[in-house]
Amino acid sequence: QLVQSGAEVKKPGQSLTIFCQGSGDSFSTSYIVWVRQTPGRGLEWMGIIYPRDLHTRYSASFQGQVTLSADKSFTTAYLQWSSLRASDTAMYFCARSVASEGYTLDVWGQGTAVIVSS
Amino acid sequence: QSALTQPASVSGSPGQSITVSCTGSRSDIGSYNSVSWYQQHPGKAPKLIIYEVTKRPSGVSSRFSGSKSGDTASLTISGLQTEDEADYYCSAYTSDWLFGGGTKLTVL
Repeated sequence: QLVQSGAEVKKPGQSLTIFCQGSGDSFSTSYIVWVRQTPGRGLEWMGIIYPRDLHTRYSASFQGQVTLSADKSFTTAYLQWSSLRASDTAMYFCARSVASEGYTLDVWGQGTAVIVSS
Repeated sequence: QSALTQPASVSGSPGQSITVSCTGSRSDIGSYNSVSWYQQHPGKAPKLIIYEVTKRPSGVSSRFSGSKSGDTASLTISGLQTEDEADYYCSAYTSDWLFGGGTKLTVL
């Protein structure tokens, strides 16, 4: 199970970190993928992190726009913005990716709504 | 514009069967079996219903089935039920995750 932090309302230029908390060994041995959902662009893959060694890879569309991280206990992954834009308004999901199942996103967090407005 | 193409909407009556298509290209669906389908009800997270083209996760009804031919994957839902009304998304993993634009299923 993945549990995400609550909805956020921010102003343009502000920073933000949202989290995705898992449990047990399955989290530390799985990949965590972040996905953005908007009415206009649908579902978009943002990046992936392997909590065990903190290795990250970003979608070309989000490289340099966000930062993925995880804590040393391997139970929480983070998605961070240093300077939000109105276009970051979206629902953000974390999901577990299992290599043995073709990197399927088999478990999803409940989502975190981010609203960026002046 | 999404990387994978789905019809915007499909509809069916209870008990009927419907099929949702997902068209990609030779470099994604045509070359990989890492095709999955997700069901999303309003205000909820996507839920995995089909993975690796044809496999169903534990707990997913056998009324859901998947297939692939060439560059197109398909999701079939048989014996439609009112609770099947939702948005359905296809996805393909090619070292990136590609998604379809989603198909809204209406059960009339």
